[in-house]
Amino acid sequence: GENVEQHPSTLSVQEGDSAVIKCTYSDSASNYFPWYKQELGKRPQLIIDIRSNVGEKKDQRIAVTLNKTAKHFSLHITETQPEDSAVYFCAASNNTGFQKLVFGTGTRLLVSP
Amino acid sequence: NAGVMQNPRHLVRRRGQEARLRCSPMKGHSHVYWYRQLPEEGLKFMVYLQKENIIDESGMPKERFSAEFPKEGPSILRIQQVVRGDSAAYFCASSLGQGNQPQHFGDGTRLSIL
Repeated sequence: GENVEQHPSTLSVQEGDSAVIKCTYSDSASNYFPWYKQELGKRPQLIIDIRSNVGEKKDQRIAVTLNKTAKHFSLHITETQPEDSAVYFCAASNNTGFQKLVFGTGTRLLVSP
Repeated sequence: NAGVMQNPRHLVRRRGQEARLRCSPMKGHSHVYWYRQLPEEGLKFMVYLQKENIIDESGMPKERFSAEFPKEGPSILRIQQVVRGDSAAYFCASSLGQGNQPQHFGDGTRLSIL
């Protein structure tokens, strides 16, 4: 089955810096890669997703890149703000009809003012 | 348009009791997923249901756990004879279900076993 690895487990940056979180997946059949942000005690919130037919997607300060050959995808946050502090999870799934998400272990991002 | 609704938000049970967790999907969504999250860990898939059907229960423990999504009413995750190891946050997500549609999560039920 699919296995998703995520790095780093913690990331501390200064406000205004960029943050990059990387994930690798094992199943070449995976074709959908969402990213979720989870604040303490709250629900995972979908912030961006990418499908395997594109290599990059951007939404304001957030971008995701996908390298299908290497089987890895990354989240890029530019001009970080303290409210970006949270745990970020990557996930992967494939469209076989069983659309379960396999999650990475999470990255705790701390943005210091 | 209400999001995914889960209740209760917090549930305390003693060992051996039953826990029932409820999930109402977003309006228009007919696909429901249950995930479990242990403290400081990621989310682990448990079960995927459509109305009146279990599609994938590969993440569900074989014993004590069951799930349903009846024609009318919310999806129910049921844990019988709870043990301390069942303490976790249980999240429900829903999607439109056609192709890899985004899954939107509820606020979760935090289950504590005394």
